[in-house]
Amino acid sequence: GAVVSQHPSWVICKSGTSVKIECRSLDFQATTMFWYRQFPKQSLMLMATSNEGSKATYEQGVEKDKFLINHASLTLSTLTVTSAHPEDSSFYICSAIQDREADTQYFGPGTRLTVL
Amino acid sequence: DAKTTQPNSMESNEEEPVHLPCNHSTISGTDYIHWYRQLPSQGPEYVIHGLTSNVNNRMASLAIAEDRKSSTLILHRATLRDAAVYYCILRDVEGQNYGQNFVFGPGTRLSVLP
Repeated sequence: GAVVSQHPSWVICKSGTSVKIECRSLDFQATTMFWYRQFPKQSLMLMATSNEGSKATYEQGVEKDKFLINHASLTLSTLTVTSAHPEDSSFYICSAIQDREADTQYFGPGTRLTVL
Repeated sequence: DAKTTQPNSMESNEEEPVHLPCNHSTISGTDYIHWYRQLPSQGPEYVIHGLTSNVNNRMASLAIAEDRKSSTLILHRATLRDAAVYYCILRDVEGQNYGQNFVFGPGTRLSVLP
């Protein structure tokens, strides 16, 4: 089946530093990837839609200058959390469309970010 | 996407079958029924999807009502590893949300008792 990987799986950083999270579709090409954030005991919330070769589309309330998204190839999207603060600590998950007929999407394993 | 309704939580004993219901009374003819699950501290995992006919794969079975207003995800023998939040999601492949992000509701939290 389709596999989406994320790296790193967890990261701890100091407040004010930047952190980059990679999302890769390992065995298929993904023109569109999505980035979600999930806080404890809550459901996934969409942050932005990442389109290969174009600018990302951000959801209302998500700062595009803080959460930089780059979708440089059909298999890689990156999310950079700039000047991270403790309130950015969360579980970040990406997904990619694989099955265009049924609109099936596959999700990465997630990245746990802890900002001290 | 059309709305789905699931119980908040369910319990099952290990090695027994589990039937997870989902109601989707406003489903359209082009809505695919998808099931995903999320284990603790992991991203959502694809389980199964179907349109009209029942579907089987190595993970589960999907039983779709004849009028398609409800469906049931069947885990034939629950294991402790099946404890997760299960999401029932509709995807309208001819609608404006095609190719867009998934919208996750609260899902059903399945507990498996040893």
